[in-house]
Amino acid sequence: GDSVTQMEGPVTLSEEAFLTINCTYTATGYPSLFWYVQYPGEGLQLLLKATKADDKGSNKGFEATYRKETTSFHLEKGSVQVSDSAVYFCALSANQAGTALIFGKGTTLSVSS
Amino acid sequence: GAVVSQHPSRVICKSGTSVKIECRSLDFQATTMFWYRQFPKQSLMLMATSNEGSKATYEQGVEKDKFLINHASLTLSTLTVTSAHPEDSSFYICSAPGGAGQLNYGYTFGSGTRLTVV
Repeated sequence: GDSVTQMEGPVTLSEEAFLTINCTYTATGYPSLFWYVQYPGEGLQLLLKATKADDKGSNKGFEATYRKETTSFHLEKGSVQVSDSAVYFCALSANQAGTALIFGKGTTLSVSS
Repeated sequence: GAVVSQHPSRVICKSGTSVKIECRSLDFQATTMFWYRQFPKQSLMLMATSNEGSKATYEQGVEKDKFLINHASLTLSTLTVTSAHPEDSSFYICSAPGGAGQLNYGYTFGSGTRLTVV
């Protein structure tokens, strides 16, 4: 079945460092890909998404490019801030009506000043 | 934009009692609602899928008699944890496909319910 694999955390960075969180997927068909962020004690917020190969999703300085050839959707940010500390989830949708998102295990990011 | 309102956000209940969690789609019709459970520092586990007017579909290993799901209208789905025990303590999140992002398979999440059974 479809699945998402994320790099294990936690990731600990200093403010203004470059961030990469790796995400690869396995899917039949042509899934849509998402990154969600969860701040402590809160629900999930959509960070960015891409619906087809070579699309780049971007938001709040974060970017991810849908790479079909490597089945990847790595999350990047050029300069992280303390406020970016959160758990990041990569997810895919099979693009079939009525199917749920499939999540990776999540990566905890901790940014210190 | 699409909003799913989930409440309560936090609930503490005694062992053996039941707790109801509600999710309402505020500005769109949610014919489907997904219910997830999240253990501390872990990913979201899909528990069940509810469809308006029909029985919910439960994932393998999820007790349907313990986690009662009702989706009586296009804007309301409920999850009732019956005879709760401490091991049911968790973070429960609902999610609906659709709303403003329906055509590109967007999903809208509730803000989650932190259930603590004592």
